[in-house]
Amino acid sequence: SQQGEEDPQALSIQEGENATMNCSYKTSINNLQWYRQNSGRGLVHLILIRSNEREKHSGRLRVTLDTSKKSSSLLITASRAADTASYFCATAKLGVTGGGNKLTFGTGTQLKVEL
Amino acid sequence: KAGVTQTPRYLIKTRGQQVTLSCSPISGHRSVSWYQQTPGQGLQFLFEYFSETQRNKGNFPGRFSGRQFSNSRSEMNVSTLELGDSALYLCASSSHRDSEQEAFFGQGTRLTVV
Repeated sequence: SQQGEEDPQALSIQEGENATMNCSYKTSINNLQWYRQNSGRGLVHLILIRSNEREKHSGRLRVTLDTSKKSSSLLITASRAADTASYFCATAKLGVTGGGNKLTFGTGTQLKVEL
Repeated sequence: KAGVTQTPRYLIKTRGQQVTLSCSPISGHRSVSWYQQTPGQGLQFLFEYFSETQRNKGNFPGRFSGRQFSNSRSEMNVSTLELGDSALYLCASSSHRDSEQEAFFGQGTRLTVV
């Protein structure tokens, strides 16, 4: 079952505007990752934030993490039409050291950036 | 460096048949994970292999199985296909053993069961 819920499910904005997506999760985590998916193709990793970090930047992306609220947000600044895609948060559960790679994905946000 | 390669890209099978999907990870990556993506259930973890050992398994029936070879290439097999197995199957590889780094995904295999 999915651990993460994302909000909103769909978002439509104009090029140049900022897009904010939120993710909530249920269990303690080791890290939280954001991925992008274009038209049902493979996932592309965007950014990883560890549980002891509160904010991280990468280019036009800004991710925040609030472990007390079990939530994260992804901000894309100055959106472009090429940012149109589905965005997923994924969590790596705490306590799986030596236990392998397993990501639990959220439900995703469909972002449409219009010209 | 070549990315994660999944073959075939598209597949159409009939109910009751079996299917084998292949995944070649990034060179040097020893962890390979498989995910199923459907419109109804979203992205769900199937299983993960590291150095030929299955370390994690998701909540899927025994019809779903996998293996990993000594060169880290992985295959997953679905037997007795059902219509509900129609999905995009994604493979991911990672250089780390414990979700400490990002996963690199292939383009997926789109399986249609008719």
